[in-house]
Amino acid sequence: AQSVTQLGSHVSVSEGALVLLRCNYSSSVPPYLFWYVQYPNQGLQLLLKYTTGATLVKGINGFEAEFKKSETSFHLTKPSAHMSDAAEYFCAVSDRTGGFKTIFGAGTRLFVKA
Amino acid sequence: EADIYQTPRYLVIGTGKKITLECSQTMGHDKMYWYQQDPGMELHLIHYSYGVNSTEKGDLSSESTVSRIRTEHFPLTLESARPSHTSQYLCASSGGGGLAGTDTQYFGPGTRLTVL
Repeated sequence: AQSVTQLGSHVSVSEGALVLLRCNYSSSVPPYLFWYVQYPNQGLQLLLKYTTGATLVKGINGFEAEFKKSETSFHLTKPSAHMSDAAEYFCAVSDRTGGFKTIFGAGTRLFVKA
Repeated sequence: EADIYQTPRYLVIGTGKKITLECSQTMGHDKMYWYQQDPGMELHLIHYSYGVNSTEKGDLSSESTVSRIRTEHFPLTLESARPSHTSQYLCASSGGGGLAGTDTQYFGPGTRLTVL
């Protein structure tokens, strides 16, 4: 069965610094991978997703993620953090063996310091 | 901008009460979901529906029930609330007819339930 591990429940960066949020997945078949963001008192919204094709995926708000099959990873990055990026970020996976149901990680809360 | 609504946003209720959490979407999506979210924990799928009159239990055991009589409406009911039901409940929908499993899910703002 597939699973998702997000390394670090909290990450703190300075404004303008690189953002790196780590996600590793477990799947025995080609996975579909997602990053969602949740701002306070709101539901989740999609940042980006990998389905097939190019392994470097660009999303909204300057975020991108790279699917690395050999490392079973899908880390989320942004070159320069902005105060408005402070939120909780969820990595998710779905695949054929799980009936294509989406499995979410526990989330990583990003803090951005001025 | 996704159009998916949940009411109430916050609910404090006593043990033993029956409650219904409402979820509606105006996007015509065939798939709808209920998740339970607790701080620092994975979102857990508790119910899903792939269309009218179709409902399934998710991976996390839940004492709640759901119905899907209309495409746009997917209410969740707890017959007798208990303190262990205290949590945030998120509703989501998806559609589009693309590759199975690649749907973007659109989430409502959630209902924070506290059972005293």
